Amino acid sequence: EAGVAQSPRYKIIEKRQSVAFWCNPISGHATLYWYQQILGQGPKLLIQFQNNGVVDDSQLPKDRFSAERLKGVDSTLKIQPAKLEDSAVYLCASSLDTDVPNEQYFGPGTRLTVT
Amino acid sequence: GESVGLHLPTLSVQEGDNSIINCAYSNSASDYFIWYKQESGKGPQFIIDIRSNMDKRQGQRVTVLLNKTVKHLSLQIAATQPGDSAVYFCAETKYFNKFYFGSGTKLNVKP
Repeated sequence: EAGVAQSPRYKIIEKRQSVAFWCNPISGHATLYWYQQILGQGPKLLIQFQNNGVVDDSQLPKDRFSAERLKGVDSTLKIQPAKLEDSAVYLCASSLDTDVPNEQYFGPGTRLTVT
Repeated sequence: GESVGLHLPTLSVQEGDNSIINCAYSNSASDYFIWYKQESGKGPQFIIDIRSNMDKRQGQRVTVLLNKTVKHLSLQIAATQPGDSAVYFCAETKYFNKFYFGSGTKLNVKP
């Protein structure tokens, strides 16, 4: 079974620039999550999709971050404009469903450095 | 690559010894808990889970203990191996919705 795919793996941008990350979840997984993991901390949920609908985006800084999952499969996370404090690893995860307890499968992450 | 474990509390154990990693969770209403392992440059990997109606669950070489009275989780790893070296996170959730991750513990296994 193929895992969660993310690209790019690394990105370096200057502050005020824009950046986009892509995630392809495990086939058949209805739920998709984007997490931000700052160095030395645990992942923090930014947004959760169930198919192509948003379940929770309460911790997404909506003035600069946006995410979409138009066809209920792949997802993109965008930052515009980036700030220095956005430097982190952005993790995508997917799971079969949120109605029952089950594993979230994580991708390898995209390491963003904002200079 | 850069380690996710910088500035985290570190537990150093000898290969073959047992390891105990602790986690204090925040929400007394949380009803489901997971332990994750994260190796450098990789996403977190599921190790073991436990529901709030249990106080102990065992897997292969791992045991999770839940003490709801003091809101405490522990992960016990038997016969720790060099491949167990990683950062370990606990995560909690209520009604299987948003997961909240702890700050993590770095496990360093000495050969």
